[in-house]
Amino acid sequence: EPEVTQTPSHQVTQMGQEVILRCVPISNHLYFYWYRQILGQKVEFLVSFYNNEISEKSEIFDDQFSVERPDGSNFTLKIRSTKLEDSAMYFCASTYREVSTEAFFGQGTRLTVV
Amino acid sequence: GNSVTQMEGPVTLSEEAFLTINCTYTATGYPSLFWYVQYPGEGLQLLLKATKADDKGSNKGFEATYRKETTSFHLEKGSVQVSDSAVYFCALTSNQAGTALIFGKGTTLSVSS
Repeated sequence: EPEVTQTPSHQVTQMGQEVILRCVPISNHLYFYWYRQILGQKVEFLVSFYNNEISEKSEIFDDQFSVERPDGSNFTLKIRSTKLEDSAMYFCASTYREVSTEAFFGQGTRLTVV
Repeated sequence: GNSVTQMEGPVTLSEEAFLTINCTYTATGYPSLFWYVQYPGEGLQLLLKATKADDKGSNKGFEATYRKETTSFHLEKGSVQVSDSAVYFCALTSNQAGTALIFGKGTTLSVSS
């Protein structure tokens, strides 16, 4: 069964450092997303990506964040100058097309900023 | 803006008990509605969905009916099992391709034998 894979599963970084979270979406999917879940809180939308550009982003997704699809398979989230409050579980997701199509989520990357 | 409100947890039940997790939404237009489940240590998985009013989504014994008049999408199961212990998220998305899921806060269900 196809799945979304994320690496690493857990990342610890020093405050102020840059991190790159990696995702491999399902191969025939066209829309890609990043969500985050701060411990004990709701899952929050960060950004959606289609046709090699951002299609939608939330207020959380400020200049500190960027996304890229560097090749035909990977989808990355870069967080510059990390802050303590960036500590969260980050989920990548992908969908084939229509909004009612099931979104497939990866298992997440737990980011801990110390 | 769009939002989802679901009942606070945790919900603690004995095996074979009846489950209801309430979910209401606020949205413009005609959103699609979803329940996602997150088992311990795993990512979110789609449990069921409904894309228009009066649709009933169902899967693994769980059901939810899209009620436009009450803007609700309550999750029910007639007889829960220990293996149903997880966090359940109600979510919606507007009917435009590629738009984001808006999640509720999640409800933790714990089922004991």
